Amino acid sequence: ETGVTQSPTHLIKTRGQQVTLRCSSQSGHNTVSWYQQALGQGPQFIFQYYREEENGRGNFPPRFSGLQFPNYSSELNVNALELDDSALYLCASSLQGVETQYFGPGTRLLVL
Amino acid sequence: QKEVEQNSGPLSVPEGAIASLNCTYSDRGSQSFFWYRQYSGKSPELIMSIYSNGDKEDGRFTAQLNKASQYVSLLIRDSQPSDSATYLCAVKEDTGNQFYFGTGTSLTVIP
Repeated sequence: ETGVTQSPTHLIKTRGQQVTLRCSSQSGHNTVSWYQQALGQGPQFIFQYYREEENGRGNFPPRFSGLQFPNYSSELNVNALELDDSALYLCASSLQGVETQYFGPGTRLLVL
Repeated sequence: QKEVEQNSGPLSVPEGAIASLNCTYSDRGSQSFFWYRQYSGKSPELIMSIYSNGDKEDGRFTAQLNKASQYVSLLIRDSQPSDSATYLCAVKEDTGNQFYFGTGTSLTVIP
């Protein structure tokens, strides 16, 4: 176990809805990165948060947004859900300046 | 678009054999490389990181890095059925905080 937790574990939404996923980082870690992993693919970087600010972003549209809180936990928000948003959403925590990331168990999102 | 390429497999080896997993990357300036193992339905689990050219050993695992050839590999010695999983290669971009993952190589160790 990495000490990184995510909630919920599974979620079913319909197209057009909005969703919020949550992540608590490992103790002592101050950086959270979010990834989307479609079936049969590797994780794709969505964005990273450090000191409550976005600290890097991958090739995802603005309807993917996030927050980081003073306790370093983080949220991923996705608006106007599309069928292709169905995936495993992973958060990974790390300590800024130390590149090793540890993944949480993920949230499996199904958009119908 | 920076890319990380892996043989998708599936790769099958008999128990006790050496499994060899390969990865190439496009970002010539990248300095940090990682191997993750992902069991079906689970999240990726860090196996090793490597930053310098050459070999790095950790138990039955050896990572090899050749920056000139933009090539990273993972050797698993004395493969066990419990090693059956998808192995993901990850590369951190030279500038910025983005990590790029390959699509993974599926490994099956046959008892």
